[in-house]
Amino acid sequence: GDSVTQMEGPVTLSEEAFLTINCTYTATGYPSLFWYVQYPGEGLQLLLKATKADDKGSNKGFEATYRKETTSFHLEKGSVQVSDSAVYFCALSDPYNTGFQKLVFGTGTRLLVSP
Amino acid sequence: DVKVTQSSRYLVKRTGEKVFLECVQDMDHENMFWYRQDPGLGLRLIYFSYDVKMKEKGDIPEGYSVSREKKERFSLILESASTNQTSMYLCASSPGQESYGYTFGSGTRLTVV
Repeated sequence: GDSVTQMEGPVTLSEEAFLTINCTYTATGYPSLFWYVQYPGEGLQLLLKATKADDKGSNKGFEATYRKETTSFHLEKGSVQVSDSAVYFCALSDPYNTGFQKLVFGTGTRLLVSP
Repeated sequence: DVKVTQSSRYLVKRTGEKVFLECVQDMDHENMFWYRQDPGLGLRLIYFSYDVKMKEKGDIPEGYSVSREKKERFSLILESASTNQTSMYLCASSPGQESYGYTFGSGTRLTVV
């Protein structure tokens, strides 16, 4: 079945450092890909998405490119802030396989940014 | 601002109690979902619904049931709460199109003692 694999956390960075959180996926069809962010004590918020190969999703300085050849959707940010400290979830939606819009999530990567 | 509202942020219940978790969305979305979130396990789908009175089991439905009598409301029911159901419960909704993603509620942290 479909699956999403994320790098283990926590990822610990200093403010203004470059961020990469790796995400790879396995899917039968042509999924849409998403990054969600969860701040402490809150639910998940959609951060960005990409719906086809080579699409780049971007929001709040974060970017991720849909790479079909490597089945990856790595999250990047050029300069992180303390306020970016959160848990980040990679997810896919593959209606070809599920017959229905159902998101499959990775286990999440915690990011800790220190001043 | 569109919203998914979960009725309680924190809930403490006793073992054996019947527990109701309520979720309401104001976006006229067709699809609604219940997940539980546990450390190291990520999000696991309990049940989902794609229409009023329709429901489908997710990956971990045992010990749970759901009700969707109106389009905007999706309730998760723990028939007889147990300590292994202590968790964060997240409700989400989405429109019919697969590329739109989900809108999540803020979550209910349930503790069963």
